[in-house]
Amino acid sequence: DIQMTQSPSSLSASVGDRVTITCQASQDISYFLNWYQHKPGKAPKLLIYDAASFDTGVPSRFSGRGSGTHFTLTINTLQPEDVATYYCQQYDHLPYSFGQGTKLEIK
Amino acid sequence: QGQLVESGGGVVQPGRSLRLSCAASGFRFSKYALNWVRLAPGKGLEWLSIISYDGNTKHYADSVKGRLTISRDNSKNTVYLEMNSLRGDDTAVYYCARGISEFQVLSGVLDVWGQGTMVTVSS
Repeated sequence: DIQMTQSPSSLSASVGDRVTITCQASQDISYFLNWYQHKPGKAPKLLIYDAASFDTGVPSRFSGRGSGTHFTLTINTLQPEDVATYYCQQYDHLPYSFGQGTKLEIK
Repeated sequence: QGQLVESGGGVVQPGRSLRLSCAASGFRFSKYALNWVRLAPGKGLEWLSIISYDGNTKHYADSVKGRLTISRDNSKNTVYLEMNSLRGDDTAVYYCARGISEFQVLSGVLDVWGQGTMVTVSS
């Protein structure tokens, strides 16, 4: 099974900052990598699919990069509403798997 | 874009069974693969299972294989998750989620999610 490792596990940043979250796959997954945003009590939301493609309605301050085993999610100009836990997920091989999550807070 | 609504959660004793349902609306249900994902207290998202758009292909996470069964009824726009021999570590919010691509047997990009249903396994 493919293991997904995110870093950091938690992050505190100021409004307006640029934030980067990293996701490492235990083997090559090409570009089959998604990013989700999850706020407590809400449904998870797809942000980025295929490593770098935006889902409909996702603000342009979110961007994704990477391929193979190393991926990043960047939030430019952090906003208060970006407080959430962020997960990467691979779908190159079954069983699909998520990273452990990165909890983002505002300073 | 569509909506998914889970139901069937609750408090259940260890060793018992439970069936969760996920009702879809606002899109052609029979065209899409459906997944189940859970979030246990203090843990991260865990992918559990997928069923193809036609119900003929199913896959499970190793951690739940043999105890969970996914199924769907395209005439009722509903996907189900039957859970047997429940344990304390099955306590979680259970989400259903749609695969993004039409008529793709397995679709792991999850673009529509329900709000989840809480399952608590406790005596």
